Amino acid sequence: LAKTTQPISMDSYEGQEVNITCSHNNIATNDYITWYQQFPSQGPRFIIQGYKTKVTNEVASLFIPADRKSSTLSLPRVSLSDTAVYYCLVGDIYSGAGSYQLTFGKGTKLSVIP
Amino acid sequence: DSGVTQTPKHLITATGQRVTLRCSPRSGDLSVYWYQQSLDQGLQFLIQYYNGEERAKGNILERFSAQQFPDLHSELNLSSLELGDSALYFCASSGEGAVRPISTDTQYFGPGTRLTVL
Repeated sequence: LAKTTQPISMDSYEGQEVNITCSHNNIATNDYITWYQQFPSQGPRFIIQGYKTKVTNEVASLFIPADRKSSTLSLPRVSLSDTAVYYCLVGDIYSGAGSYQLTFGKGTKLSVIP
Repeated sequence: DSGVTQTPKHLITATGQRVTLRCSPRSGDLSVYWYQQSLDQGLQFLIQYYNGEERAKGNILERFSAQQFPDLHSELNLSSLELGDSALYFCASSGEGAVRPISTDTQYFGPGTRLTVL
């Protein structure tokens, strides 16, 4: 089962770099790692996705070690508008009888402090 | 704006009733996903449709059903409503979704429908 574990919450000051780590010890060979951001009462928003090593886009970087048992979302120079919940999504979990679970988990609530 | 639209934005109804939530995916997207988000359960995957066909089923109750129409919009039907069905219901769409694992699909979420069951 590709279950994920993330810190429940994190605080950071504006302008700092924030690193959020997700553990996924049972990641399968064909699983990718995807991060979403969610503001209150809004739908999640795709941030970044990767399979191995490092991926960077205009908003974040994703670091994945060789064993792929964890991943780290890096947000450079956060601002107040980055205050949100961040979810790590890894793999479908087959739960039998044709059913799959996409486990977003509880996510990490990031609070950016002025 | 993700390009995914959901109606209605808010819905208040009574226990035992039936409601229909509507979702229009981004132009060109063939996949539609439905999620339920409540305070105590987090974001729960309900069901996925790809080009009119059911592709994956998650934690969807038998009282709930969904379909995707030829124009690719989707509807989620909730019947015999209970107090515990009160939640935010999100629809997402993707240009992917034809192969497994669907967790790799880049999903674009709509603004959600807030359902309150009294």
